[in-house]
Amino acid sequence: AQSVTQLGSHVSVSEGALVLLRCNYSSSVPPYLFWYVQYPNQGLQLLLKYTSAATLVKGINGFEAEFKKSETSFHLTKPSAHMSDAAEYFCAAVRSGTYKYIFGTGTRLKVLA
Amino acid sequence: DVKVTQSSRYLVKRTGEKVFLECVQDMDHENMFWYRQDPGLGLRLIYFSYDVKMKEKGDIPEGYSVSREKKERFSLILESASTNQTSMYLCASSEGGKNTGELFFGEGSRLTVL
Repeated sequence: AQSVTQLGSHVSVSEGALVLLRCNYSSSVPPYLFWYVQYPNQGLQLLLKYTSAATLVKGINGFEAEFKKSETSFHLTKPSAHMSDAAEYFCAAVRSGTYKYIFGTGTRLKVLA
Repeated sequence: DVKVTQSSRYLVKRTGEKVFLECVQDMDHENMFWYRQDPGLGLRLIYFSYDVKMKEKGDIPEGYSVSREKKERFSLILESASTNQTSMYLCASSEGGKNTGELFFGEGSRLTVL
């Protein structure tokens, strides 16, 4: 069965430091992959998505993610963290031809001043 | 601006009450979804609908039902609320077909069952 694993339920970084949030998927067929961000008391909004056009995907707010098939990974990065990046981040996958999006359990990012 | 609107942001209900959570989207999307979000468990799919009057069970449909009488509206119903249904409920929509497109989410409905 397809699954999405996010390593680290909580990640803390200093303001200005690199942000790295990890996501691995488990699927015999590479799925389409997404990163969503959720700010407190809000719904999820799309940061970026991978749909096989390019392995390095750029998203909003300076985030990007790289699809690595050999590692079944889709890690999210940002070169320099900002206080406004503090939120919960979800990785999600969906196989082409299905309706079922599978979400990871989320990583809460804390940015330290 | 595209929008998914959940009618109630916060609800407090008593055990055994019938609860309706309403969701409306203005993007003419075919697909609509109800998820439940709990700490440490991520989002779990309750039900989804790919067309008016069509619905399919997700991963955790027990204790829930849904209604989609109009394309823009997808309702989640708790026939007899229980304390273990205290949670954040998120509605989402996406374009038609078995697609790989973005999910658009509402702001969520936080339900407390006493």
